[in-house]
This record gives sequence, C-alpha cells and structure tokens, in this order.
Amino acid sequence: NAGVTQTPKFQVLKTGQSMTLQCAQDMNHEYMSWYRQDPGMGLRLIHYSVGAGITDQGEVPNGYNVSRSTTEDFPLRLLSAAPSQTSVYFCASRRRDLFTGELFFGEGSRLTVL
Amino acid sequence: EDQVTQSPEALRLQEGESSSLNCSYTVSGLRGLFWYRQDPGKGPEFLFTLYSAGEEKEKERLKATLTKKESFLHITAPKPEDSATYLCAVGSGNTGKLIFGQGTTLQVKP
Repeated sequence: NAGVTQTPKFQVLKTGQSMTLQCAQDMNHEYMSWYRQDPGMGLRLIHYSVGAGITDQGEVPNGYNVSRSTTEDFPLRLLSAAPSQTSVYFCASRRRDLFTGELFFGEGSRLTVL
Repeated sequence: EDQVTQSPEALRLQEGESSSLNCSYTVSGLRGLFWYRQDPGKGPEFLFTLYSAGEEKEKERLKATLTKKESFLHITAPKPEDSATYLCAVGSGNTGKLIFGQGTTLQVKP
C-alpha cells in the first residue's frame, strides 16, 4: 500500500524560482491538505481540498497555490520562492464524510530556499 | 483564540522509567483530540482519538486520557523504540480546522 506519496523529498531553490511539490494518494480520500512544519511552530495548514475542483485556504496560504483536478493528486505550487518558505512540507489526506483528525501523512518534502 | 500547548518540549527517560506528556488546549467547540507519533525524517502517524472528558485509549505502552482542558499521554515502562516526537492536535468546532501543538520529543535511553 503506497498511501500518500510526496515528491521530491529534498529540493534546493534560489529566491524567486518557482516549483511544484507533488502529492498523490491511493486511498480514494476526498480530503487532502498541505502543512508546513517549522521548529517550534508545530504543523500549520497551508491549503486544503474537500474534493476534485474544490480548494480553500488554510492558516498560512500566502505564496502558495493549489489545484485539485483529480481525487488522487493535490500539487502545491510555490510561485516565487522566498527564504521564509524554507521548511518541511507534508501532504495529508483523510475521508471527508466525518470531521476527523485521523490524517494520513506523506513522508515530507524538505525545501531550502537560498 | 484556539490554542494547543504541549509540555515538556523534550523529555529524556531511562528504559523502564514511566512518565507523562501533557497537551493543554483552548478551543471553541472541541471536535476531538488527536495524538500522533513522528519519527525523524518521517511524517506523523496517527495514534489515538479522544472525544469526551474521561475517555481513555490504550495502545501497547501508551495510554491517552482527556479532561476538559488537557490530555495526557502516559508512557509505561518505555523502550528505546518509543523514542519519537509526539504531537497533539485538536479539532476546532469554530473553524472546522485541526490545530497542532509544537510536540514533545521523547528520548528513551537503554
């Protein structure tokens, strides 16, 4: 079982560059989300989606863009990378039917912006 | 404002030395309290869900409890393989969002 798959695992960017973090899940989960994890800050929600074609902002959405064209995929785009976006990014998914914190996480993508 | 605070930030135990991790929360309309385990370089892995004060859940050497203001993760006779960061999160009825604490990093020495 693959679960939630994130690519790439590591990435180094220069300020101003753009890139896309990929996330795919094979559990047929309607809900997908992106978090960033920084030391001492806990996990913070960037964007989320409750189904194909539906996305919404989380706690820290600025500088990031998402789309959801299929149930399986939820890419996160950095439009113009800044050093403040250096972080570890996690994609997570769950069933939509009931609110629950039982999220399935990917292994993370570690991004460094120089 | 919805808030989750975990203590201590770090905890070192000897193998077999029992202890507890704390998760204090302030939230409008609690929609569940959730514990996760995170190993270095990995994503968080779900452990427990607690919904109401007085509820308890157990898994191997871990037991989670819930009151109206906090949750405890009790670790009984820990082993080195229990070393990890433990995350607490609450569901907010006000925002419908999941709010995470900063985590407690547990190290168990043999």
